[in-house]
Amino acid sequence: NAGVTQTPKFQVLKTGQSMTLQCAQDMNHEYMSWYRQDPGMGLRLIHYSVGAGITDQGEVPNGYNVSRSTTEDFPLRLLSAAPSQTSVYFCASSYTTGTGEAYNSPLHFGNGTRLTVT
Amino acid sequence: GQQLNQSPQSMFIQEGEDVSMNCTSSSIFNTWLWYKQDPGEGPVLLIALYKAGELTSNGRLTAQFGITRKDSFLNISASIPSDVGIYFCAGPNYGQNFVFGPGTRLSVLP
Repeated sequence: NAGVTQTPKFQVLKTGQSMTLQCAQDMNHEYMSWYRQDPGMGLRLIHYSVGAGITDQGEVPNGYNVSRSTTEDFPLRLLSAAPSQTSVYFCASSYTTGTGEAYNSPLHFGNGTRLTVT
Repeated sequence: GQQLNQSPQSMFIQEGEDVSMNCTSSSIFNTWLWYKQDPGEGPVLLIALYKAGELTSNGRLTAQFGITRKDSFLNISASIPSDVGIYFCAGPNYGQNFVFGPGTRLSVLP
């Protein structure tokens, strides 16, 4: 059981280049999300998806696109990389709690992609 | 947006000592999560809390859901070197999303 798998682990881009960060989960989780982690700022939500075909913006969505064509995959695209996007990116997933449930199901994280934009 | 505060920001302790850290929110939560992040790894769930006043243990770790529902506490007893890392608290934001605290960085001196 692999859980949440992110590729690549490391990436260096030049300003203006594009790339896609891959995320796949094998737990049949409906909910998936992308966070970025910067020193002293914790984890900030970029985009999220509550199911295939449904995506929405988080706290810091500018410069990033996502799509969700399958339950398993949730790629994050940088169309034109900028130095401000140098960060560690984490994908996370969880199952969907039923309507009226009084709690939120915990997130399961991948091991991250460390991105440097020069 | 919603923010969580964690204290302390960092701590240096001797091996064998007990550790206490906390997390506070301006909003009432129905769920508190505690994660640990090792260097170069993703956060790993330590403890999930779902009820005000709840006290839950995971080995040497114990976490409590504050009575006011605006805070949570994590204690580590008899620390060991592998306890080194960053500890994050998290609470629900909107929908199924979570907001994370800035983390407490723990260093254990032999």
